[in-house]
Amino acid sequence: ETGVTQTPRHLVMGMTNKKSLKCEQHLGHNAMYWYKQSAKKPLELMFVYNFKEQTENNSVPSRFSPECPNSSHLFLHLHTLQPEDSALYLCASSPGVGAEAFFGQGTRLTVV
Amino acid sequence: QKEVEQNSGPLSVPEGAIASLNCTYSDRGSQSFFWYRQYSGKSPELIMFIYSNGDKEDGRFTAQLNKASQYVSLLIRDSQPSDSATYLCAVPWGRNMRFGAGTRLTVKP
Repeated sequence: ETGVTQTPRHLVMGMTNKKSLKCEQHLGHNAMYWYKQSAKKPLELMFVYNFKEQTENNSVPSRFSPECPNSSHLFLHLHTLQPEDSALYLCASSPGVGAEAFFGQGTRLTVV
Repeated sequence: QKEVEQNSGPLSVPEGAIASLNCTYSDRGSQSFFWYRQYSGKSPELIMFIYSNGDKEDGRFTAQLNKASQYVSLLIRDSQPSDSATYLCAVPWGRNMRFGAGTRLTVKP
């Protein structure tokens, strides 16, 4: 098992669809993150969970809804997205907040 | 001032040369610094971290930290075409990690 696994790898969805991204980490880490990476922009932190409690919501629109049922799993629920939400969505985990982060392979999301 | 700044490049070096990637940060209290490599279409991969002033070497990679100048760099010796990627500098910021925009490196055969 790779350290941090994301599914699906690619997703195309319409603006009225509802979909979910899944992330699972097998590293025994306590913190998990969602990042957004758009073309030619820096990584944007979206959400931080520490011991499955949300510790940061970086002014993310409510059409993105995270869920962390336990320290190993993280979801990002998507609904009524806009074309500008098309990006690479990266999940990461770290031993603790602010420590070195290990990334999953990412989900390439296209909103049509 | 941005929290973490990098020259976006592109930086082009010939094969076998030394590639020098630079990063400055704004928080004087920062204690740890990370370098990630990201190939096109892939996710970032941690390649180096440094906590203390001075140099840290790992194979062909050397990280250099100067806390007084708030400057951290990554040197890649004997650059190979396979080193062509975007290199991201990251600095912990409160409860999360702040990333620079990245420097795109191209190593030409």
